[in-house]
Amino acid sequence: DTGVSQDPRHKITKRGQNVTFRCDPISEHNRLYWYRQTLGQGPEFLTYFQNEAQLEKSRLLSDRFSAERPKGSFSTLEIQRTEQGDSAMYLCASVGDVPYNEQFFGPGTRLTVL
Amino acid sequence: RKEVEQDPGPFNVPEGATVAFNCTYSNSASQSFFWYRQDCRKEPKLLMSVYSSGNEDGRFTAQLNRASQYISLLIRDSKLSDSATYLCVVLRGTNAGKSTFGDGTTLTVKP
Repeated sequence: DTGVSQDPRHKITKRGQNVTFRCDPISEHNRLYWYRQTLGQGPEFLTYFQNEAQLEKSRLLSDRFSAERPKGSFSTLEIQRTEQGDSAMYLCASVGDVPYNEQFFGPGTRLTVL
Repeated sequence: RKEVEQDPGPFNVPEGATVAFNCTYSNSASQSFFWYRQDCRKEPKLLMSVYSSGNEDGRFTAQLNRASQYISLLIRDSKLSDSATYLCVVLRGTNAGKSTFGDGTTLTVKP
């Protein structure tokens, strides 16, 4: 157990619905990453935060995706108008101090869009 | 071409074998490098950081070659429990920044 939690662990939804995932990082970590992973691929970078500031967002991410980290603690990832291609594992990683940059992953949220 | 590339394998080796994986990266501004291990349907777990001078942790040795832009992982005396997918990850800056994973190399260690 890395100390990073994600909720829910599994989500099944119908195409067109909105979904929101939550990540609670390690409390003293100020950086947080979101990734998407599909079978046979490595985690694909979506976005990252330093405290409450979203510093970078992947160009692959459509406008249907949004992430927040309102108080620099937990973060949420929302997908609007889900599509079948959004089915994947969504992973959150908590990152400690520079210069170590070691990422500690939560268990992930597995999304299935029907 | 992908930013971070790994040979997907699979590598099938007997117990006790030595196996090596390479990972190449294209962005010369990359500053931080790591190896992660991922078991089937689980989250990635940090295996080791990769330092410029190379580093060793038990049976695992990691090397960085900045000139050729690759990192390597050597596993000695393979155990059945080493069977997993090994992911390399590259961070663009020293202060974190965009993080890019390879697609992983699958290792199966057989009795």
